[in-house]
Amino acid sequence: GEDVEQSLFLSVREGDSSVINCTYTDSSSTYLYWYKQEPGAGLQLLTYIFSNMDMKQDQRLTVLLNKKDKHLSLRIADTQTGDSAIYFCAEMAGGFKTIFGAGTRLFVKA
Amino acid sequence: NAGVTQTPKFRVLKTGQSMTLLCAQDMNHEYMYWYRQDPGMGLRLIHYSVGEGTTAKGEVPDGYNVSRLKKQNFLLGLESAAPSQTSVYFCASSSLLGLAGLAVYEQFFGPGTRLTVL
Repeated sequence: GEDVEQSLFLSVREGDSSVINCTYTDSSSTYLYWYKQEPGAGLQLLTYIFSNMDMKQDQRLTVLLNKKDKHLSLRIADTQTGDSAIYFCAEMAGGFKTIFGAGTRLFVKA
Repeated sequence: NAGVTQTPKFRVLKTGQSMTLLCAQDMNHEYMYWYRQDPGMGLRLIHYSVGEGTTAKGEVPDGYNVSRLKKQNFLLGLESAAPSQTSVYFCASSSLLGLAGLAVYEQFFGPGTRLTVL
């Protein structure tokens, strides 16, 4: 069945790079997403990658996709305290339905 | 645009009570969703709707009902609340980003409703 797994916590120092990893199971997923949830708020789409791409870069964000291993990662360069949030990996499964991972809580230490 | 709004923001119920969570979107989206978020479990889809007048079951539909009488509104009902339904509930609607003719379906989320059932 469809499943998305990611580690629950990551702690980094301000200015370092953060790498959040995710594995998914549905090889037919067309798009893979990273959503960000700040405290007390709903999720917001951070970035996405089409399944035929290996990498996508958007300012401080780099998404890497290894389709063979069904592995997705999000790298945040020069991590700031404002990046502290929960990051959800997600895959689009069966059209418009999205399967979310449990979320990785990123702590940024000043 | 207000985006996706949810009411109420917080609610405490006693076991067996009923309530309706309201979700509204002003983006003319066709698709709407109800999720629950529990610690360590991410988001789980309760019910969804692909258009006005249509609803379908998601991953965890038991104990919930929904209605989509108007395109902009999606209601989630709890007929007889149980402590296991203590959770944060998120409504979302999706747009078609339409990149290169393919559907990306970004979801827009409301701020959530924190429900406690005693």
